[in-house]
Amino acid sequence: GAVVSQHPSRVICKSGTSVKIECRSLDFQATTMFWYRQFPKKSLMLMATSNEGSKATYEQGVEKDKFLINHASLTLSTLTVTSAHPEDSSFYICSARDLAGASYNEQFFGPGTRLTVL
Amino acid sequence: AQSVTQPDIHITVSEGASLELRCNYSYGATPYLFWYVQSPGQGLQLLLKYFSGDTLVQGIKGFEAEFKRSQSSFNLRKPSVHWSDAAEYFCAVGVGGFKTIFGAGTRLFVKA
Repeated sequence: GAVVSQHPSRVICKSGTSVKIECRSLDFQATTMFWYRQFPKKSLMLMATSNEGSKATYEQGVEKDKFLINHASLTLSTLTVTSAHPEDSSFYICSARDLAGASYNEQFFGPGTRLTVL
Repeated sequence: AQSVTQPDIHITVSEGASLELRCNYSYGATPYLFWYVQSPGQGLQLLLKYFSGDTLVQGIKGFEAEFKRSQSSFNLRKPSVHWSDAAEYFCAVGVGGFKTIFGAGTRLFVKA
């Protein structure tokens, strides 16, 4: 089946630093990837849609300059949290769509990245 | 507006008992419906999905769900719950632009 990986699985950083999270589709090509944020005991909130070779589409209320998304290849999207602050601490999950497979309308989720900003 | 409602924040069932998790959606077109399970600190695993056809869909781990258009519901069921089923369950609907909207989740507790 389609596998999506995320790296790192958890990261702790100091306030003011930037953190990059990678999302990779391991066995399929993903022209579209999605980035979600999940607060403790809450549901997933879609942050942005990442399209290969073009700018990401951000959901209302999500700061573009804060959360930089780059989708440089068909298997890799990155989320960079710039000048991180404690309120950015969260669980970040990516997902990807496999256009070539039968599961056209399905997203495959990565295992998530736990970000803690001190 | 598109939305997914999971009325139960948490449910406790005894091991071996049956389970039903409720999900209602609001979407103008034919929905793509999903149930995902999430263990603590983990990503989401797809349990089952409905795109079209038979309204009763079978998933992994013995789960099934029934799509009822008249009730805008897609309830998840399992005839006999195992302790390992304790987790957070999310109902989701695929909407235009291939976005997915998630419900708030239902936490399942299983007691011995």
